[in-house]
Amino acid sequence: GAVVSQHPSWVICKSGTSVKIECRSLDFQATTMFWYRQFPKQSLMLMATSNEGSKATYEQGVEKDKFLINHASLTLSTLTVTSAHPEDSSFYICSASSGASTDTQYFGPGTRLTVL
Amino acid sequence: AQTVTQSQPEMSVQEAETVTLSCTYDTSESNYYLFWYKQPPSRQMILVIRQEAYKQQNATENRFSVNFQKAAKSFSLKISDSQLGDTAMYFCAFIPNTGNQFYFGTGTSLTVIP
Repeated sequence: GAVVSQHPSWVICKSGTSVKIECRSLDFQATTMFWYRQFPKQSLMLMATSNEGSKATYEQGVEKDKFLINHASLTLSTLTVTSAHPEDSSFYICSASSGASTDTQYFGPGTRLTVL
Repeated sequence: AQTVTQSQPEMSVQEAETVTLSCTYDTSESNYYLFWYKQPPSRQMILVIRQEAYKQQNATENRFSVNFQKAAKSFSLKISDSQLGDTAMYFCAFIPNTGNQFYFGTGTSLTVIP
């Protein structure tokens, strides 16, 4: 149980285009989803927290107009990187927690974004 | 402010041997949860073990056990009978009972040597 999927697993795009990454909880309802960014050999950096049906809460220094987060249902959250630039190239990981167990987060497999 | 510190960037262990990964944290919260996550080369984060701060008994999961010292704010992970598949990055994480944000350490890269 507690499986989280991400799609796509990797994506290459041109500078200036937008990319959408999906995060789905497959066998539980995720009241809260989290988006992280991870640089090579570094820890996870929390970008934003999203609760179903409400606006995401962004961490300091994360541009909310650049990283659009939508959590339209209890099983799906999306992260859209708008007008992507090479410096946005990174590994993006989502996680989800359920209402029954808010202390444990289940992670997706991550999405590697490369912006040319 | 909550912080999690992993002071060992890299470690190695011989296959079948035991290794201990260190983690300390700082918080003013009285109740919280602690975790060890494993991130193998596939980059998938895998929950290894979970500890509730109000429980004095150390959590164990098969070959994985923790040494939780609440007063010292220490939460080390012991891996017994190390296997090649244990090679991964290990992250210590903390979440206060009053919130839902995880605080991660910087990670320890563990290599199991055949």
